[in-house]
Formats: sequence, structure tokens, C-alpha cells
Amino acid sequence: QQQVKQSPQSLIVQKGGISIINCAYENTAFDYFPWYQQFPGKGPALLIAIRPDVSEKKEGRFTISFNKSAKQFSLHIMDSQPGDSATYFCAASYYSGGYNKLIFGAGTRLAVHP
Amino acid sequence: SQTIHQWPATLVQPVGSPLSLECTVEGTSNPNLYWYRQAAGRGLQLLFYSVGIGQISSEVPQNLSASRPQDRQFILSSKKLLLSDSGFYLCAFQGAGDTQYFGPGTRLTVL
Repeated sequence: QQQVKQSPQSLIVQKGGISIINCAYENTAFDYFPWYQQFPGKGPALLIAIRPDVSEKKEGRFTISFNKSAKQFSLHIMDSQPGDSATYFCAASYYSGGYNKLIFGAGTRLAVHP
Repeated sequence: SQTIHQWPATLVQPVGSPLSLECTVEGTSNPNLYWYRQAAGRGLQLLFYSVGIGQISSEVPQNLSASRPQDRQFILSSKKLLLSDSGFYLCAFQGAGDTQYFGPGTRLTVL
């Protein structure tokens, strides 16, 4: 029930294409859903985040779509660029015992080919 | 602005040796702090969290311990490293709202 399931494990997209990464969760206590981008050897960096009262959030080329009834959310990267090649993690969090408990998906390795 | 530092960046240690990884945060007071471990090609696993000085909670039983001697300092330690302790260790602080911000990480290799 604490898991966040992420797919696909890896993704290859041509430059200019759309990258789509999907995540699903079970715990209805989750109330915050961030996406992180991680380059090799670096710490994850917050990319975009959404709360369950919003169905979509867009920041530049990055869009989160959120389906509360299906307990699914996804990241869309429009006009994908080689510089977007990285590992992407979805996550879900809720407050428990005075701290923010963040559960990560297993990650998606994205390669954007020129 | 808020920043987070970790050192060392990389570390190679023999089995059975001690470990001390340090994390410091600037630009914020009394943040919640977190230690995560990331195995190669895997997601992040929460190891410890701290809501204040001297307050440490562990998520999983392991060979590691954590301490918070100062408000903005978080230390990950071990008395005797195991091969299975190898990994990428990440410190994070909780910023505005529910967002966690990660440091640059420490790559630990136990031989």
C-alpha cells in the first residue's frame, strides 16, 4: 500500500518527441506528488509537483496529469531534447509522525536521441 | 537562499572500517532532515529522518546510525562498514510545503 509503481523502466525518444512516464499509487493518504530529475552522479532535483485537488499542472515543457479516481499520475515532456536525458522519479508523500514521508517510484531512464 | 552541502563527494572504504558522512544546510532554521540511500539503478530508500536537534528516527534496521548535533547538521555513521553499505547516500531537507530538496550526494564504495 506504501508503494508507488512507475513505468516504463526505460524510455527512448527522438528529439522533438513527447516523453510520457506513468505512476500509480494505492495509499489515499498521499497528498503531494513531486517529480524529480536526476543526472548521473548528482542528487535528484525537483522538477514539478502537484496536489490531488488539481488535475493538471504545466511548467514550460513539463506537464503533470493527475487522475485521483484512478490513483494515477503521469509526466509529459513535450519537445524532448537531448539535455532531458536523465533518470526521472515520481514520488508521493504524506505527513506521518511530524515529518513528510516521501515514497519514490523505481525510476525511468530517459534517453533522447538527436 | 537555501542550500545543502554533503561531503565527502566520494569515499572508498575497506570492510570493517568506520564511516562518517556529513550534511549541512544553509538558509533555513530547524528544518526536517533526511538521509536516503540509492542503490545503483534503483530508487531512493529513506534511512533516517530528524525533526530537531538530537531527534533521530530510523526507517529500516541496518548497520548505520545518524546524529544531529546542531540545527543544520546531520551526520550518518557506522562503526563497521559492510559490503552491502555501498551506495549513493543523499541528504535532504524539507523546504516550503512538502518539498524535499536533495544534496549532491556521497558515493560510497566498500571493498
